[in-house]
Amino acid sequence: AQTVTQSQPEMSVQEAETVTLSCTYDTSESDYYLFWYKQPPSRQMILVIRQEAYKQQNATENRFSVNFQKAAKSFSLKISDSQLGDAAMYFCAYRSAFAAGNMLTFGGGTRLMVKP
Amino acid sequence: DAGVIQSPRHEVTEMGQEVTLRCKPISGHNSLFWYRQTMMRGLELLIYFNNNVPIDDSGMPEDRFSAKMPNASFSTLKIQPSEPRDSAVYFCATTWGDGSYNEQFFGPGTRLTVL
Repeated sequence: AQTVTQSQPEMSVQEAETVTLSCTYDTSESDYYLFWYKQPPSRQMILVIRQEAYKQQNATENRFSVNFQKAAKSFSLKISDSQLGDAAMYFCAYRSAFAAGNMLTFGGGTRLMVKP
Repeated sequence: DAGVIQSPRHEVTEMGQEVTLRCKPISGHNSLFWYRQTMMRGLELLIYFNNNVPIDDSGMPEDRFSAKMPNASFSTLKIQPSEPRDSAVYFCATTWGDGSYNEQFFGPGTRLTVL
């Protein structure tokens, strides 16, 4: 079974600065997908960014980018130019590429606080 | 599209009562997932449907929990009898196809409190 670990329960960043959230995972599979979801106080889960394991190029979405290290099984999220609206819980998630199912396995989450 | 719709948004009930949570997926989505979120256990998958058929229910905690998807536009998660440890936020999420890269769209969740 796959596991996802987020070792930072809480992080804080100054507005306009850059912050990196860590995520590691354990799997024996060679092909899979990784995701970062954001959960603001409204509880709504929002997809931030995703990465396909067979792609070496790191995914980017505006101010959000990932550092995907397949050999190290690491998938960190970098938020540049942090904004107050970035304050939320962030969850890293893993999904197998095999058709047995589309289930997401989530990490425990990191609470990000943004200081004005 | 209105997104994934869940009802009720909040539910407070007493131990032993039956609770039914409802989910309406996004039109065209054929995969549906029920997740539970608690402080202690984080986000856990309870059950997964594809084309209205339960594919994996290994996350359902015990026989008190049951889920149905009678058609492509409706699913229920029932707890009978409910217990205080069932208190959590329950999310429904949907997506299309069996492509693992597809985004799962989450509903707003139902916050359940069992007294």
